[in-house]
Amino acid sequence: AQSVTQPDIHITVSEGASLELRCNYSYGATPYLFWYVQSPGQGLQLLLKYFSGDTLVQGIKGFEAEFKRSQSSFNLRKPSVHWSDAAEYFCAVAKYNNNDMRFGAGTRLTVKP
Amino acid sequence: EAGVVQSPRYKIIEKKQPVAFWCNPISGHNTLYWYRQNLGQGPELLIRYENEEAVDDSQLPKDRFSAERLKGVDSTLKIQPAELGDSAVYLCASSLESSGQETQYFGPGTRLLVL
Repeated sequence: AQSVTQPDIHITVSEGASLELRCNYSYGATPYLFWYVQSPGQGLQLLLKYFSGDTLVQGIKGFEAEFKRSQSSFNLRKPSVHWSDAAEYFCAVAKYNNNDMRFGAGTRLTVKP
Repeated sequence: EAGVVQSPRYKIIEKKQPVAFWCNPISGHNTLYWYRQNLGQGPELLIRYENEEAVDDSQLPKDRFSAERLKGVDSTLKIQPAELGDSAVYLCASSLESSGQETQYFGPGTRLLVL
C-alpha cells in the first residue's frame, strides 16, 4: 500500500523567509500527490495536486510543489512566508481511483514576526 | 456554494455512551468519506460511500462503529459504545466522483472527547 513520510514535525520560519516542507512517498506506480493545509479548528483545504505532466505544480496562496520521481519526493515551497501561513500541512498520496488516500503525519508551521 | 457541513462541532461524552456525527456533503457530490484524525496525525479513512453504497469500509471498526448514507446525500457516523481511544477529530469529505483526479473537500470536523 502507498504511504507518506513527512520528516519534519515542526518548522519555524521568519515572516518573509522562504519555506520548504518535505514529503516522501512510497508507491509502486505513478502516484497522485496532494498538499493540504489545516488551520486550527478548520477542515483541510487543498493547496495543490499532481497527477501527471509538468512536475512543477502551482497552487493557491503562492505555494508550489515539485514532483521528483527519482527521489520519491513532492516537496512544498513558498518564496516568502506570511504570518497567515501558520498552520498544519499534510502531504497525501492516492491511487488512480482516489479510493485510498494516505496522509502523512503533518508538519506544523510556525511563523515568527 | 456551501461547503461540507458537519455537526456537532464538539462533543464530550463519558465512555460507554453512544455518539453520532452528521455530515452534509457539497450538493451534487456522489462520493462521501469519513476520516478519523488522531492528535498529531494525519486523517485516516474509515469509510467511503459512492451514492448510498459503502464501497470501502475495511478500516471501520465494525464492532462499535456504524455508518449510513440514506438517499445518497447526508451521512451519519455512530459509535456505540464509545471508548477512551475514540477521542479524535472526525472529518467528513466529499468529491464529485471517486476517480483519482477528483478533489476531496473537507468539512471542519467534529472534535470528540471521551472521558
